[in-house]
Amino acid sequence: ELKVEQNPLFLSMQEGKNYTIYCNYSTTSDRLYWYRQDPGKSLESLFVLLSNGAVKQEGRLMASLDTKARLSTLHITAAVHDLSATYFCAVDGVGTSGSRLTFGEGTQLTVNP
Amino acid sequence: NAGVTQTPKFRVLKTGQSMTLLCAQDMNHEYMYWYRQDPGMGLRLIHYSVGEGTTAKGEVPDGYNVSRLKKQNFLLGLESAAPSQTSVYFCASRSGTSAYEQFFGPGTRLTVL
Repeated sequence: ELKVEQNPLFLSMQEGKNYTIYCNYSTTSDRLYWYRQDPGKSLESLFVLLSNGAVKQEGRLMASLDTKARLSTLHITAAVHDLSATYFCAVDGVGTSGSRLTFGEGTQLTVNP
Repeated sequence: NAGVTQTPKFRVLKTGQSMTLLCAQDMNHEYMYWYRQDPGMGLRLIHYSVGEGTTAKGEVPDGYNVSRLKKQNFLLGLESAAPSQTSVYFCASRSGTSAYEQFFGPGTRLTVL
């Protein structure tokens, strides 16, 4: 059974600081996704990582994937208040029919002025 | 393009009542999914479909049924609602080709009293 763990689950940081969210998963996969969710809203796709060593950047967020270590990171650079949200990683299990995603618990990020 | 839409947005049921949630997508996607999200948790897959006329069980299928009679629609049914089914339900869809990204609907907030 594929398990996905994120840490930290709660993150409070000051504007302008850098931090990294970690996503570990238990079985082989080369497809990993990062989503953002604002309170009471749906999930918004941030990054799709499809191979070992993949790195993608959008604004102050950068995501990477190491399939050998079964680890993805979401790095936040010079945080701003608008980045406050819950961030989920989700992993597509190898061999699953229909591309079934298993989600982590989410990291609730609060960026304080 | 409306993307993925869900009906209704909110619903309150009494224990034992039945209801159907409707998900519609206008992107001609092959795959469709139903998830539930409980407070402080990631999304858990209930049922999914890899094409018109097909359905399959996900991680937490008990108490739910689904149907995919038309490619653009995916229905989630609760035959006899229980308080444990109080949750936010999200529908998602994705293309059957190399685009692995899942696109999510706005969610349905269901309360079972």
